[in-house]
Amino acid sequence: NAGVTQTPKFQVLKTGQSMTLQCAQDMNHEYMSWYRQDPGMGLRLIHYSVGAGITDQGEVPNGYNVSRSTTEDFPLRLLSAAPSQTSVYFCASSYRGVPTDTQYFGPGTRLTVL
Amino acid sequence: AQTVTQSQPEMSVQEAETVTLSCTYDTSESDYYLFWYKQPPSRQMILVIRQEAYKQQNATENRFSVNFQKAAKSFSLKISDSQLGDAAMYFCAYQGPGTYKYIFGTGTRLKVLA
Repeated sequence: NAGVTQTPKFQVLKTGQSMTLQCAQDMNHEYMSWYRQDPGMGLRLIHYSVGAGITDQGEVPNGYNVSRSTTEDFPLRLLSAAPSQTSVYFCASSYRGVPTDTQYFGPGTRLTVL
Repeated sequence: AQTVTQSQPEMSVQEAETVTLSCTYDTSESDYYLFWYKQPPSRQMILVIRQEAYKQQNATENRFSVNFQKAAKSFSLKISDSQLGDAAMYFCAYQGPGTYKYIFGTGTRLKVLA
């Protein structure tokens, strides 16, 4: 099992550019989520999904889009990057998303928007 | 809205000693889960321990234990026999009933001194 994988590990964008952060898991987990981590602010939930075709917003969804066409993949799209989106992004997954399921995190993507 | 507060940005402990990290939270729910996550310098988030609010007994995992005070809405993490590998950021998190959303605190950086 590779667990939760994220690509790329690092990315630098210019304001206004678009990009997709990739996340994949090979544990057949129904629940997947995206967080951003900023200094002094902990992790904040961006979007989550409880299965293929089902997504919902978290705490800070503005500026980000997601889709879930397969169980394995949950990409995060930045349509027009802004400096405020400079952050470390984590993808996570668990079997059903309930508290008794252990949530597994990817290694993170450090994104800088100039 | 639920909130999670970690008031200690940084803590230090001597190797082999015991340290307690504090976490308080606010919720109107009676059943919920609380978690402690560890984030070492590798950035990989790892679940340390979880506690269900309905269980009066404090959770333990080897050298890690919690002091869960439901009425005071306090959830502290005790690390016994601290080791150099315990040096990391520690995040307290909350998940309420019927929700897929986790709420994280801002984290406490633990330094372990040799």
